[in-house]
Amino acid sequence: QVTLRVSGPALVKPTETLTLSCDFSGFSLKTNGMCVSWLRQSPGKSLEWLALIDWDFVPHYNTSLKTRLTLSKDTSDNKVVLTMTDLDPDDTATYFCARMFRAAYLDYWAQGALVAVSS
Amino acid sequence: EIVMTQSPATLSLSPGERATLSCRASQSVRSNLAWFQQKPGQAPRLLIYAASDRATGVPARFSGSGSGTEFTLTISSLQSEDFAVYFCQHYENWFGAFGQGTKVEIK
Repeated sequence: QVTLRVSGPALVKPTETLTLSCDFSGFSLKTNGMCVSWLRQSPGKSLEWLALIDWDFVPHYNTSLKTRLTLSKDTSDNKVVLTMTDLDPDDTATYFCARMFRAAYLDYWAQGALVAVSS
Repeated sequence: EIVMTQSPATLSLSPGERATLSCRASQSVRSNLAWFQQKPGQAPRLLIYAASDRATGVPARFSGSGSGTEFTLTISSLQSEDFAVYFCQHYENWFGAFGQGTKVEIK
């Protein structure tokens, strides 16, 4: 059974750094074609890609946010960690991680974590 | 960058009616198209991949069609649990864009 879970702070101050973890089970990131992806969704809006890490543990970033993001695999084989620097109120959103299957479509999603950026 | 456009923005229908949702890509994405359902406070749920293949556990009343730039999601007979927002997304390349969504609401 594939599951993913996002954890992290619910409130972050402007200019601070956000660190989110995605714990997953039921699959191996070492499997060819398997990726873990990060996306976010502002209230009432569509989904925006942030980054993904592939089966060789190589991170790939949305170019629009690349300078602010770092994605890595934790020492645990079943966790990836996303950091975003210099938070702004416009970064207030629900953050999701999801499995990308066959390096193609997102088939399993975490519940998502709402992060508010406010002083 | 490929842009995905969904129509209509809102679809007002009654239970039992047929829903037809459209998604257009600004250039061909072949059959690399997925449909998701999202309910308030929940993560998106994959319904359709490869334009027409149902994901595991998705009821047969959901069907997808199309290729290239024009795609359709059809719900043959709306059930109460189907009232939600639906997104299309291409995966012709990584970081494929999502459409802005179609809300299916109870009439």
